[in-house]
Amino acid sequence: GAVVSQHPSRVICKSGTSVKIECRSLDFQATTMFWYRQFPKKSLMLMATSNEGSKATYEQGVEKDKFLINHASLTLSTLTVTSAHPEDSSFYICSAWDSYEQYFGPGTRLTVT
Amino acid sequence: AQSVTQLGSHVSVSEGALVLLRCNYSSSVPPYLFWYVQYPNQGLQLLLKYTTGATLVKGINGFEAEFKKSETSFHLTKPSAHMSDAAEYFCAVSDQASYDKVIFGPGTSLSVIP
Repeated sequence: GAVVSQHPSRVICKSGTSVKIECRSLDFQATTMFWYRQFPKKSLMLMATSNEGSKATYEQGVEKDKFLINHASLTLSTLTVTSAHPEDSSFYICSAWDSYEQYFGPGTRLTVT
Repeated sequence: AQSVTQLGSHVSVSEGALVLLRCNYSSSVPPYLFWYVQYPNQGLQLLLKYTTGATLVKGINGFEAEFKKSETSFHLTKPSAHMSDAAEYFCAVSDQASYDKVIFGPGTSLSVIP
């Protein structure tokens, strides 16, 4: 099946700094990708829909100035957590559809100290 | 608005016993329904999905689910639990069969007792 990768798999950053997470579709093109956030032992919360060549669509309650999404190509979307704070620590997962199925990346564990 | 509820945040079964994970949905349009499994610190894997047609859907690893419109349910079953089935299971709903956002339920953690 298709593969979605994420980089890095885990990252630790200091409070106030920014961190970028990459999501790539390795063997298919994805005009749309999705970013989810998952708290420990909780479900996935959809943060935003990333659209290639246009602005992302954010879900209600998600700060678009804090979680910057860029979908610069058909195989790459990036999520930048700006001015990170400890409450931003979480597991971030991206996904993309090929023609049949939605594939999820392995996730990125962000810890803000 | 779409939503998904999963009855029982944690389910324990004995190895070899029936697995039943419950899912109910709410959708204003005919739903597309999914079950995903997540192992610790990993992404999600699709177990099965219902789009149209046959209401009993068979998935990977021996799992199946039945779409019951009258009950707005999509329960997941497996006749005989295996130790490797221990994981987190998420039911999800979407407005479209593909290329659309998917709304997840809260998840059910399955434990399998030897």
